[in-house]
Amino acid sequence: TQLLEQSPQFLSIQEGENLTVYCNSSSVFSSLQWYRQEPGEGPVLLVTVVTGGEVKKLKRLTFQFGDARKDSSLHITAAQPGDTGLYLCAGARAGGTSYGKLTFGQGTILTVHP
Amino acid sequence: SAVISQKPSRDICQRGTSLTIQCQVDSQVTMMFWYRQQPGQSLTLIATANQGSEATYESGFVIDKFPISRPNLTFSTLTVSNMSPEDSSIYLCSVRGTAEAFFGQGTRLTVV
Repeated sequence: TQLLEQSPQFLSIQEGENLTVYCNSSSVFSSLQWYRQEPGEGPVLLVTVVTGGEVKKLKRLTFQFGDARKDSSLHITAAQPGDTGLYLCAGARAGGTSYGKLTFGQGTILTVHP
Repeated sequence: SAVISQKPSRDICQRGTSLTIQCQVDSQVTMMFWYRQQPGQSLTLIATANQGSEATYESGFVIDKFPISRPNLTFSTLTVSNMSPEDSSIYLCSVRGTAEAFFGQGTRLTVV
């Protein structure tokens, strides 16, 4: 069973603060994605990381894929109330019986207070 | 990318009845995935639906409870049968791109 351990489960911070969300696994993933979901909507892709050690930036969001492709982090700088939502990491493995499936982390509910 | 239309967006159903959720994709896809999600929590895969073959169910989910149809490469349905309050949840359909997944907006089901 592939597991993605995501932490923390809850984050409640003030506007302007920084935060980091982590996803860790003992399994190797061919790619890892981060999604953000708002109430009443499906998850929306933020980024996909594929190469070990890769760092991607999306405005105030920085995503990193571990060298061994077993872990990833999402760092938000100067959080804003609009960042509030459920953040999910998801890992993909190619081939075999798990082809096409994604393994999701437990999710992080982020609340940014003005 | 893919655009997924899912309906209904929400429903309140009586226990013992069944609800069919529809998922329409704007492009042809080989596999479609059905998930269940409690509000604010992660996604649990119910089954993978392939066109022309029976769906593949994950552990804890069975065809009698969650029958799935996949009549063509752009459409799928998930039925939640003989519902109980424990089936109250958000149900999402999804397709995969090269790596990423695209989701419908979800169906919020409440069983009373």
